[in-house]
Amino acid sequence: GAVVSQHPSWVICKSGTSVKIECRSLDFQATTMFWYRQFPKQSLMLMATSNEGSKATYEQGVEKDKFLINHASLTLSTLTVTSAHPEDSSFYICSASWGANYNQPQHFGDGTRLSIL
Amino acid sequence: DAKTTQPTSMDCAEGRAANLPCNHSTISGNEYVYWYRQIHSQGPQYIIHGLKNNETNEMASLIITEDRKSSTLILPHATLRDTAVYYCIVRATGTASKLTFGTGTRLQVTL
Repeated sequence: GAVVSQHPSWVICKSGTSVKIECRSLDFQATTMFWYRQFPKQSLMLMATSNEGSKATYEQGVEKDKFLINHASLTLSTLTVTSAHPEDSSFYICSASWGANYNQPQHFGDGTRLSIL
Repeated sequence: DAKTTQPTSMDCAEGRAANLPCNHSTISGNEYVYWYRQIHSQGPQYIIHGLKNNETNEMASLIITEDRKSSTLILPHATLRDTAVYYCIVRATGTASKLTFGTGTRLQVTL
Protein backbone atom coordinates (compact mmCIF):
# COMPACT_ATOMS: atom_id res chain seq x y z
CA GLY A 1 0.00 0.00 0.00
CA ALA A 2 0.91 3.65 -0.31
CA VAL A 3 3.38 4.84 2.29
CA VAL A 4 3.86 8.37 3.55
CA SER A 5 6.74 9.07 5.90
CA GLN A 6 7.08 12.03 8.26
CA HIS A 7 10.20 13.20 10.02
CA PRO A 8 10.82 13.87 12.81
CA SER A 9 8.17 12.00 14.77
CA TRP A 10 8.80 14.07 17.89
CA VAL A 11 10.52 17.41 18.44
CA ILE A 12 10.98 19.61 21.49
CA CYS A 13 12.48 23.06 21.12
CA LYS A 14 12.70 26.45 22.73
CA SER A 15 10.30 29.26 22.07
CA GLY A 16 11.39 31.47 19.17
CA THR A 17 13.12 28.79 17.14
CA SER A 18 11.99 27.50 13.75
CA VAL A 19 11.15 23.86 13.16
CA LYS A 20 11.04 22.02 9.86
CA ILE A 21 8.92 18.92 9.34
CA GLU A 22 9.37 16.69 6.29
CA CYS A 23 6.72 14.65 4.54
CA ARG A 24 7.76 12.09 1.94
CA SER A 25 5.78 9.79 -0.31
CA LEU A 26 7.89 6.64 -0.48
CA ASP A 27 6.34 4.61 -3.25
CA PHE A 28 4.37 7.04 -5.37
CA GLN A 29 4.57 10.53 -6.80
CA ALA A 30 2.40 12.88 -4.80
CA THR A 31 0.89 15.60 -6.93
CA THR A 32 -0.91 17.03 -3.93
CA MET A 33 0.06 17.09 -0.28
CA PHE A 34 -1.95 18.32 2.67
CA TRP A 35 -0.92 19.53 6.11
CA TYR A 36 -3.15 19.11 9.15
CA ARG A 37 -2.90 20.06 12.79
CA GLN A 38 -4.53 18.26 15.69
CA PHE A 39 -4.79 19.57 19.25
CA PRO A 40 -5.38 17.15 22.15
CA LYS A 41 -8.82 15.55 22.13
CA GLN A 42 -9.79 17.40 18.97
CA SER A 43 -10.19 16.37 15.36
CA LEU A 44 -7.78 17.07 12.52
CA MET A 45 -7.91 20.56 11.06
CA LEU A 46 -6.63 21.18 7.55
CA MET A 47 -3.98 23.90 7.45
CA ALA A 48 -2.99 24.02 3.80
CA THR A 49 -2.95 22.21 0.47
CA SER A 50 0.16 22.17 -1.68
CA ASN A 51 0.70 21.11 -5.25
CA GLU A 52 4.14 20.32 -6.57
CA GLY A 53 5.85 23.37 -7.99
CA SER A 54 3.24 25.90 -6.95
CA LYS A 55 2.37 27.97 -3.89
CA ALA A 56 0.37 26.37 -1.13
CA THR A 57 -3.26 27.25 -0.52
CA TYR A 58 -3.87 28.04 3.13
CA GLU A 59 -7.11 27.60 5.03
CA GLN A 60 -8.76 30.60 6.60
CA GLY A 61 -7.08 31.64 9.81
CA VAL A 62 -3.77 29.92 9.09
CA GLU A 63 -0.86 32.36 8.88
CA LYS A 64 1.10 31.68 5.71
CA ASP A 65 4.13 33.60 6.96
CA LYS A 66 4.27 31.51 10.10
CA PHE A 67 3.68 28.12 8.53
CA LEU A 68 5.90 27.96 5.45
CA ILE A 69 5.16 25.12 3.07
CA ASN A 70 7.43 23.97 0.28
CA HIS A 71 6.55 21.23 -2.20
CA ALA A 72 9.54 21.29 -4.49
CA SER A 73 9.33 17.71 -5.72
CA LEU A 74 6.73 15.02 -6.27
CA THR A 75 7.95 13.08 -3.25
CA LEU A 76 8.72 15.75 -0.67
CA SER A 77 6.86 18.55 1.07
CA THR A 78 8.11 20.48 4.08
CA LEU A 79 6.32 22.50 6.73
CA THR A 80 8.40 25.06 8.63
CA VAL A 81 6.94 26.53 11.80
CA THR A 82 8.74 29.86 12.09
CA SER A 83 9.42 31.52 15.43
CA ALA A 84 7.48 28.82 17.22
CA HIS A 85 5.73 29.59 20.51
CA PRO A 86 4.05 27.34 23.08
CA GLU A 87 0.64 27.80 21.45
CA ASP A 88 2.06 26.17 18.31
CA SER A 89 2.57 22.95 20.23
CA SER A 90 0.43 20.36 18.48
CA PHE A 91 0.36 17.15 16.44
CA TYR A 92 1.15 17.96 12.81
CA ILE A 93 0.16 15.41 10.18
CA CYS A 94 0.70 15.35 6.43
CA SER A 95 -1.08 13.41 3.76
CA ALA A 96 -0.49 12.82 0.09
CA SER A 97 -2.38 11.72 -2.96
CA TRP A 98 -1.51 11.17 -6.59
CA GLY A 99 -3.01 11.50 -10.00
CA ALA A 100 -4.74 14.48 -11.56
CA ASN A 101 -8.41 13.68 -11.69
CA TYR A 102 -8.66 10.07 -10.63
CA ASN A 103 -10.30 9.63 -7.27
CA GLN A 104 -7.44 8.33 -5.17
CA PRO A 105 -7.62 8.41 -1.36
CA GLN A 106 -5.24 10.48 0.69
CA HIS A 107 -2.65 8.54 2.63
CA PHE A 108 -1.34 9.92 5.90
CA GLY A 109 1.99 10.03 7.65
CA ASP A 110 2.30 9.07 11.30
CA GLY A 111 2.50 12.68 12.42
CA THR A 112 5.00 14.90 14.20
CA ARG A 113 4.43 15.86 17.80
CA LEU A 114 5.79 19.37 18.35
CA SER A 115 6.37 20.69 21.85
CA ILE A 116 7.54 24.28 22.31
CA LEU A 117 8.94 25.15 25.71
CA ASP B 1 -18.46 19.35 1.19
CA ALA B 2 -21.47 17.73 2.81
CA LYS B 3 -21.53 17.39 6.59
CA THR B 4 -21.65 14.00 8.29
CA THR B 5 -23.16 12.90 11.59
CA GLN B 6 -21.79 9.98 13.58
CA PRO B 7 -22.43 8.65 17.08
CA THR B 8 -19.85 9.85 19.56
CA SER B 9 -18.91 6.41 20.80
CA MET B 10 -19.69 2.71 20.42
CA ASP B 11 -18.64 -0.51 22.08
CA CYS B 12 -18.16 -3.88 20.43
CA ALA B 13 -17.18 -7.28 21.78
CA GLU B 14 -14.09 -8.83 20.27
CA GLY B 15 -14.94 -11.26 17.48
CA ARG B 16 -18.29 -9.66 16.77
CA ALA B 17 -19.12 -7.42 13.83
CA ALA B 18 -18.81 -3.70 14.44
CA ASN B 19 -21.37 -1.64 12.53
CA LEU B 20 -20.59 2.06 12.46
CA PRO B 21 -23.34 4.32 11.07
CA CYS B 22 -22.96 7.65 9.34
CA ASN B 23 -25.56 10.14 8.14
CA HIS B 24 -24.77 12.40 5.19
CA SER B 25 -28.19 13.62 4.10
CA THR B 26 -26.84 16.59 2.10
CA ILE B 27 -24.43 14.56 -0.02
CA SER B 28 -24.33 15.58 -3.67
CA GLY B 29 -23.98 13.45 -6.76
CA ASN B 30 -20.24 13.76 -7.24
CA GLU B 31 -19.28 13.20 -3.61
CA TYR B 32 -17.78 9.99 -2.32
CA VAL B 33 -18.09 8.55 1.17
CA TYR B 34 -14.69 7.89 2.76
CA TRP B 35 -13.84 6.11 5.98
CA TYR B 36 -10.63 6.60 7.92
CA ARG B 37 -9.63 5.58 11.40
CA GLN B 38 -7.11 7.02 13.82
CA ILE B 39 -5.47 4.93 16.47
CA HIS B 40 -4.15 6.96 19.38
CA SER B 41 -1.13 9.13 18.54
CA GLN B 42 -0.94 7.96 14.92
CA GLY B 43 -1.94 9.45 11.59
CA PRO B 44 -5.31 8.47 10.11
CA GLN B 45 -5.47 5.18 8.22
CA TYR B 46 -7.52 4.88 5.04
CA ILE B 47 -10.13 2.12 5.25
CA ILE B 48 -12.49 2.25 2.30
CA HIS B 49 -14.52 4.57 0.09
CA GLY B 50 -17.49 4.36 -2.23
CA LEU B 51 -19.86 6.36 -4.39
CA LYS B 52 -23.14 4.46 -4.49
CA ASN B 53 -22.40 0.75 -4.70
CA ASN B 54 -21.48 -1.32 -1.69
CA GLU B 55 -17.75 -1.90 -1.39
CA THR B 56 -15.63 -4.52 0.34
CA ASN B 57 -11.91 -4.86 0.89
CA GLU B 58 -9.64 -6.76 3.22
CA MET B 59 -10.37 -4.40 6.08
CA ALA B 60 -14.08 -3.68 5.94
CA SER B 61 -17.32 -3.41 4.03
CA LEU B 62 -19.14 -0.20 3.19
CA ILE B 63 -22.89 -0.27 2.78
CA ILE B 64 -24.43 2.86 1.22
CA THR B 65 -28.20 3.30 1.19
CA GLU B 66 -29.92 3.66 -2.15
CA ASP B 67 -30.68 7.34 -1.56
CA ARG B 68 -27.03 7.81 -0.47
CA LYS B 69 -28.08 9.73 2.61
CA SER B 70 -26.44 7.31 5.01
CA SER B 71 -23.88 4.56 5.13
CA THR B 72 -22.54 1.89 7.46
CA LEU B 73 -18.98 0.71 7.89
CA ILE B 74 -18.78 -2.93 8.89
CA LEU B 75 -15.76 -4.52 10.52
CA PRO B 76 -16.74 -8.19 10.24
CA HIS B 77 -14.72 -9.57 13.16
CA ALA B 78 -13.55 -6.79 15.44
CA THR B 79 -10.31 -7.22 17.39
CA LEU B 80 -8.78 -5.16 20.17
CA ARG B 81 -6.51 -3.54 17.57
CA ASP B 82 -9.58 -2.05 15.90
CA THR B 83 -10.10 0.26 18.88
CA ALA B 84 -9.82 3.72 17.33
CA VAL B 85 -11.70 6.83 16.28
CA TYR B 86 -13.50 6.22 13.00
CA TYR B 87 -14.18 9.13 10.68
CA CYS B 88 -16.84 9.17 7.98
CA ILE B 89 -16.05 11.90 5.45
CA VAL B 90 -17.81 13.07 2.32
CA ARG B 91 -15.39 14.26 -0.31
CA ALA B 92 -15.79 15.62 -3.81
CA THR B 93 -14.15 13.87 -6.75
CA GLY B 94 -10.52 14.77 -7.45
CA THR B 95 -7.30 14.11 -5.61
CA ALA B 96 -6.85 17.77 -4.73
CA SER B 97 -10.17 17.94 -2.93
CA LYS B 98 -10.10 18.27 0.82
CA LEU B 99 -10.94 15.86 3.58
CA THR B 100 -12.90 17.62 6.29
CA PHE B 101 -12.71 15.66 9.53
CA GLY B 102 -15.60 15.74 11.99
CA THR B 103 -15.47 14.36 15.51
CA GLY B 104 -15.85 10.72 14.46
CA THR B 105 -16.97 7.68 16.44
CA ARG B 106 -14.76 6.32 19.16
CA LEU B 107 -15.02 2.52 18.87
CA GLN B 108 -13.96 0.55 21.91
CA VAL B 109 -13.50 -3.16 21.31
CA THR B 110 -13.65 -5.18 24.52
CA LEU B 111 -12.87 -8.76 25.53
